[in-house]
Amino acid sequence: NAGVTQTPKFQVLKTGQSMTLQCAQDMNHEYMSWYRQDPGMGLRLIHYSVGAGITDQGEVPNGYNVSRSTTEDFPLRLLSAAPSQTSVYFCASSYSGGWGANVLTFGAGSRLTVL
Amino acid sequence: DQQVKQNSPSLSVQEGRISILNCDYTNSMFDYFLWYKKYPAEGPTFLISISSIKDKNEDGRFTVFLNKSAKHLSLHIVPSQPGDSAVYFCAAINSGGGADGLTFGKGTHLIIQP
Repeated sequence: NAGVTQTPKFQVLKTGQSMTLQCAQDMNHEYMSWYRQDPGMGLRLIHYSVGAGITDQGEVPNGYNVSRSTTEDFPLRLLSAAPSQTSVYFCASSYSGGWGANVLTFGAGSRLTVL
Repeated sequence: DQQVKQNSPSLSVQEGRISILNCDYTNSMFDYFLWYKKYPAEGPTFLISISSIKDKNEDGRFTVFLNKSAKHLSLHIVPSQPGDSAVYFCAAINSGGGADGLTFGKGTHLIIQP
């Protein structure tokens, strides 16, 4: 089992460029989410999805788009990259979302630098 | 306003001794708490959890204690081993409150010294 796979692991962008961070899971999890981790800030929720075709905003959604066309994939799009989006991004999934016990399985992370 | 607080950014403990990591929360609706461990260049991995109906949960060397009246939980690692050196995140959720996921603290970097 691969678990949660994120690509790319590293990316450097120029301000204003757009890109997509890919996330795929093979555990048939309904719930998927994106977090960003910044020094001294912990993990903050960007967007989440409780199933195919359903997405919603988390704590810090501005500047990011998501879609969920399949159960397996949950890409995160940066529309016009800004230096403030320099961060490490983690995709996570679980069988259930906020309801009941929630144990997230995380990907290895994607480190993004915006110049 | 930070709802889950880990006030110690780092903690240094000698190998073989007890490590105690602390976490405070402000939202009284949180009813499930988790600890995640993170090594550099890896994603966080689930370590141990506790429901608000309990005040203690053990798993091998790891024990989590919950004090609801104080809105405080702690993770005890006994004995501490070099492989325990990592960043530990406390997380909380209102399991009946919707799908907006876990709220994480800022993390505590545990360093186990030989």
